[in-house]
Amino acid sequence: GAVVSQHPSRVICKSGTSVKIECRSLDFQATTMFWYRQFPKQSLMLMATSNEGSKATYEQGVEKDKFLINHASLTLSTLTVTSAHPEDSSFYICSAATSRALTKETQYFGPGTRLLVL
Amino acid sequence: AQKITQTQPGMFVQEKEAVTLDCTYDTSDQSYGLFWYKQPSSGEMIFLIYQGSYDEQNATEGRYSLNFQKARKSANLVISASQLGDSAMYFCAMRDYSSASKIIFGSGTRLSIRP
Repeated sequence: GAVVSQHPSRVICKSGTSVKIECRSLDFQATTMFWYRQFPKQSLMLMATSNEGSKATYEQGVEKDKFLINHASLTLSTLTVTSAHPEDSSFYICSAATSRALTKETQYFGPGTRLLVL
Repeated sequence: AQKITQTQPGMFVQEKEAVTLDCTYDTSDQSYGLFWYKQPSSGEMIFLIYQGSYDEQNATEGRYSLNFQKARKSANLVISASQLGDSAMYFCAMRDYSSASKIIFGSGTRLSIRP
């Protein structure tokens, strides 16, 4: 099956610093990638939809200047949390979809990145 | 607007018994897809089963089946012969084809299997 990786799997940073999370589709080309955030014991909340070569579409309430998303190639999307604060501590999960997935059943999820901001 | 509702925050089931996890949804679109995902403590999202809005038969995947009642807008997950490894969070989700195919998730149900 299709594989999506995320790096790093876990990161601890100081408040005020920026953190970059990578999402890669390893064996397929992903025209669309999605970024989710999950707080403890809560559901996944969609942050933004990213299409290769174009600007990301952010969900209501998500600050685009704080959560920078770049989808520079068909296999890589990055999420940068700028000027991180303790309240940004969360589990960040990406998912990737191929063009076929627009009519197909599934997206493919990465394993997630746990971010802890001290 | 789309909405997914899971009314069972937690459930306990005896091993080998069947369990039904409830899910209702709301959408104004005619074309949509419904999913169930399992999330163990490791955090990975494991796809279990899918039901398209135009599928006439209920989806089945091994021990998983989806009880799709379109008129009631419900898509309950049935797990037969539960196993200890089934203990996890379960999320119902929906994809609306008119909204860039993004998936939205319900609040989840934590299933615990008793030996």
